[in-house]
Amino acid sequence: GAGVSQSPSNKVTEKGKDVELRCDPISGHTALYWYRQSLGQGLEFLIYFQGNSAPDKSGLPSDRFSAERTGGSVSTLTIQRTQQEDSAVYLCASSAQGTALYEQYFGPGTRLTVT
Amino acid sequence: AQSVSQHNHHVILSEAASLELGCNYSYGGTVNLFWYVQYPGQHLQLLLKYFSGDPLVKGIKGFEAEFIKSKFSFNLRKPSVQWSDTAEYFCAVNAPERDDKIIFGKGTRLHILP
Repeated sequence: GAGVSQSPSNKVTEKGKDVELRCDPISGHTALYWYRQSLGQGLEFLIYFQGNSAPDKSGLPSDRFSAERTGGSVSTLTIQRTQQEDSAVYLCASSAQGTALYEQYFGPGTRLTVT
Repeated sequence: AQSVSQHNHHVILSEAASLELGCNYSYGGTVNLFWYVQYPGQHLQLLLKYFSGDPLVKGIKGFEAEFIKSKFSFNLRKPSVQWSDTAEYFCAVNAPERDDKIIFGKGTRLHILP
């Protein structure tokens, strides 16, 4: 079946511009996670959605970052007034339910470059 | 908050060598532990996981990991590596009594020489 998809695969933007990154989770998965992968920094947790519960935003690095999940499915990560340090690969993952007992399935990521 | 340390950032081995990648976590309560792998050009995927029971867990492709609670460790091992094991390996921890977040380490790049 279809896995987690993300778009765009690559995004180059100028410093100060806003960007939107999209994640389509596996159908039926109730949990959705966003991570940021920077060279040498591993995966940094950003935000987590589980069903209709309030999202866990504790990993968002600044108020320039926000995310929403519409209809319990597609999610959009928005970065406002991008900075060069925002350059990274942004990964989305989904799992069948919202506990860590369920395997996370990762998408291919969006490589963001801020010039 | 829980954190994960992977001591080896880059490991180079020859085929058939034995592998052990270190992982330590900092959290005193109940933990779920994971190893994820990212092969070149592919998505991150689960290699193995520990939730409870036998502290020695076996995963795909001949990998295993041992949970040693007293050492807060979950090292990954493979007795004989293959060139196809070249990848980046991530250790991760979840503290289920706190929340459902999974915290990842910074990863270890493994390069196997043919």
